[in-house]
Amino acid sequence: QVQLQESGPGLVKPSETLSLTCTVSGGSITSYYWSWIRQYPGKGLEWIGEIYYSGNTYYNPSLNSRVTISVDMSKNQFSLKLSSVTAADTAVYFCARVKGGFLFMDVWGKGTTVTVSS
Amino acid sequence: DIQMTQSPSSLSASVGDRVTITCRASQTLSNYLNWYQQKPGKGPKLLIYAASSLQSGVPSRFSGSGSGTDFTLTISSLQPEDFATYYCQQTYRNPKTFGQGTTVEIK
Repeated sequence: QVQLQESGPGLVKPSETLSLTCTVSGGSITSYYWSWIRQYPGKGLEWIGEIYYSGNTYYNPSLNSRVTISVDMSKNQFSLKLSSVTAADTAVYFCARVKGGFLFMDVWGKGTTVTVSS
Repeated sequence: DIQMTQSPSSLSASVGDRVTITCRASQTLSNYLNWYQQKPGKGPKLLIYAASSLQSGVPSRFSGSGSGTDFTLTISSLQPEDFATYYCQQTYRNPKTFGQGTTVEIK
């Protein structure tokens, strides 16, 4: 049974770079898309972007210039970097597996809270 | 971006009730519409994909219907573990977008 676990700092200073890693266990990272999603304190969900195991990426245009998603097949991990963060980037960050031609998210991590504050 | 609008934003219901949640898209999605359930402190759980396909392991009291711009999630007989927030999501076009959520509360 595939499980996902987010990890990374819970507190990031304004203007710095948020860095998170998602570790995939119980299955291989190959042959799937992998996604990052965030949830604001008001509960809204925002798709950040996704990566295919081969490295192709798709980002939300609202974040395009600040976001980078990468994959490390040797570690069965994929990562998120979000630069120049502000308080508006404070959220719970989830990683998820994207499956099938309909690109639904069938496995999610538990989420990690990131607060942007000095 | 494709805007997703759910209604209602919240509802109160009793165990055994039939519950219907609606999701409307700002443009046609074909059937690229998914439904998720989220409980406090947890990640969303996939219930329905491709508008009407039940995810493995999800009880059959959950069903989805619709195509184009109008979609519905139905819980045929509400159970205590179903009190949660439900989100629709379109995966027809990037950026993938979610509805604002519908919270199902105990009456």
